[in-house]
Amino acid sequence: NAGVMQNPRHLVRRRGQEARLRCSPVKGHSHVYWYRQLPEEGLKFMVYLQKENIIDESGMPKERFSAEFPKEGPSILRIQQVVRGDSAAYFCASSADSSNQPQHFGDGTRLSIL
Amino acid sequence: AQSVSQHNHHVILSEAASLELGCNYSYGGTVNLFWYVQYPGQHLQLLLKYFSGDPLVKGIKGFEAEFIKSKFSFNLRKPSVQWSDTAEYFCAVNSFNKFYFGSGTKLNVKP
Repeated sequence: NAGVMQNPRHLVRRRGQEARLRCSPVKGHSHVYWYRQLPEEGLKFMVYLQKENIIDESGMPKERFSAEFPKEGPSILRIQQVVRGDSAAYFCASSADSSNQPQHFGDGTRLSIL
Repeated sequence: AQSVSQHNHHVILSEAASLELGCNYSYGGTVNLFWYVQYPGQHLQLLLKYFSGDPLVKGIKGFEAEFIKSKFSFNLRKPSVQWSDTAEYFCAVNSFNKFYFGSGTKLNVKP
């Protein structure tokens, strides 16, 4: 099953450390989306990327968060100097194009900040 | 900006009961509509989608949804739920190439 692969599944960090979350989209998909799911809340859009380009980052905090989707390799969501409030499940989704195609989701990375 | 509302946050049903989960969106232009399901510990999976045509959409596992444009709604239904339908259900709207998700409805089906 060559679906969206996210790793790690669980990540524990101490306050002030950096967290790197990886996402490999479905083979052939060039559109990647990152979402954050806080406890008891729905998915919140963070960022939409195509290969080597950030298309829409309107949902991503201006500081400490960054995302990339290089020409080769997985998409990376990077959180610098993590704080307790960053604890959440981060989901990656991919699609074949940006229009109306459904998104395929990964299993998520559960980030816990000590 | 588009917003998606799911009014039922928690629903508890007995097996064989009928299900209807509400979903309303705010923007009235051209939209594509989806329902996703998230089983405990798993990723989101597509249940059904509406792009155009017949407003009554059939999905997997006996689910269906009806698009009512005048009400900006896309409610999810199932005539008879099973214990295995216990999950969280998310409505999503795609407009202007961006996905907006509702806050989800947790369904608990008692055997």
